[in-house]
Amino acid sequence: NAGVTQTPKFQVLKTGQSMTLQCAQDMNHEYMSWYRQDPGMGLRLIHYSVGAGITDQGEVPNGYNVSRSTTEDFPLRLLSAAPSQTSVYFCASSSLLPTAGYTFGSGTRLTVV
Amino acid sequence: GEDVEQSLFLSVREGDSSVINCTYTDSSSTYLYWYKQEPGAGLQLLTYIFSNMDMKQDQRLTVLLNKKDKHLSLRIADTQTGDSAIYFCAETASYGQNFVFGPGTRLSVLP
Repeated sequence: NAGVTQTPKFQVLKTGQSMTLQCAQDMNHEYMSWYRQDPGMGLRLIHYSVGAGITDQGEVPNGYNVSRSTTEDFPLRLLSAAPSQTSVYFCASSSLLPTAGYTFGSGTRLTVV
Repeated sequence: GEDVEQSLFLSVREGDSSVINCTYTDSSSTYLYWYKQEPGAGLQLLTYIFSNMDMKQDQRLTVLLNKKDKHLSLRIADTQTGDSAIYFCAETASYGQNFVFGPGTRLSVLP
């Protein structure tokens, strides 16, 4: 099925470890974004990309890196995990048409101990 | 920076109408969306409205936009138990860039 695929679905990290959250979409969407969701705070934008080779910071970029070497993939790297990064992470993608809105993945639940 | 506010909880009886409200601060907001999140799932686009519109209707959903007051509402007619979820309002002035989401309204539908 077409859509946004995130892996893994669950992950436990120790403080200081690094890891990459994977995101892939097969809809040939130009726009891709990473959000984190924390209770009572809605979703906050971490990084976004408007096309392959182009990325920019969102509201809460510290501690995270991204790259967009292909249209399909937009991995999110945690450089040195901290307990404050315990959250649910969502990847989303969209075409250039605002009427389409963003399509979200099912999320990665990350716990940092 | 931009901010989007929503009440956190709403309870309604099955068959009644639900109205979920959202206020935003960015006067240049152009694209406004409503998303639904069911437990353990990602967000699902429900509907949208653009700043050149006042109202949009889509089956049981009606969206009203008051640009002067920067107020957006989502009305769900004949609310069903399957409508129980968290509803997020989101806005952006420049599509593809910085979306701002509200905290979400948890809708509980009582039988």
